Amino acid sequence: DTEVTQTPKHLVMGMTNKKSLKCEQHMGHRAMYWYKQKAKKPPELMFVYSYEKLSINESVPSRFSPECPNSSLLNLHLHALQPEDSALYLCASSQGDREDGYTFGSGTRLTVV
Amino acid sequence: DQQVKQNSPSLSVQEGRISILNCDYTNSMFDYFLWYKKYPAEGPTFLISISSIKDKNEDGRFTVFLNKSAKHLSLHIVPSQPGDSAVYFCAASEGTGTASKLTFGTGTRLQVTL
Repeated sequence: DTEVTQTPKHLVMGMTNKKSLKCEQHMGHRAMYWYKQKAKKPPELMFVYSYEKLSINESVPSRFSPECPNSSLLNLHLHALQPEDSALYLCASSQGDREDGYTFGSGTRLTVV
Repeated sequence: DQQVKQNSPSLSVQEGRISILNCDYTNSMFDYFLWYKKYPAEGPTFLISISSIKDKNEDGRFTVFLNKSAKHLSLHIVPSQPGDSAVYFCAASEGTGTASKLTFGTGTRLQVTL
């Protein structure tokens, strides 16, 4: 299995809703990442988990709450989002050998209404 | 503050010719550079990387060149094929091992025409 699987593929949520994005990989990768990509912009790093511990938080608002329940799973809990948070949310994983790059999932297209 | 820049938002190349995509960076702490290809509604796909201690890396039709003194890298695709049409992101890595972080450039949309 050489994939990163993200669910759901599409999500529409109201500003008062609570929802979660899920990411799963079974490649034994020890680092997992959340990126956010707005239209016509590059992906921007949100969080890095290394060995199931949060190692980097790029000053992301607290309405985004990451969780790494085990080495294969990464969640992003969403609460009280704003319309400007609408974006493609990408999950990635890596073994730590930086020349091999990250493996990205297909993303979750989030729309906040 | 955009630390990784791709100054050409788009590029059109004829099938069979060479595509050259350029990237500039400002952060001297970057020590690995990578190129990703992205189709709409999909995640980026890793293409090729280069360490800052090298000046060239080749993989099939893809070659990446690094000029560290100029803080510039380029991706050459030879020969270009219609299936290469996508958005290409340059990315730069800093940090160590699993605590590293990847910063993406602004992207170049490549269109390979028949």
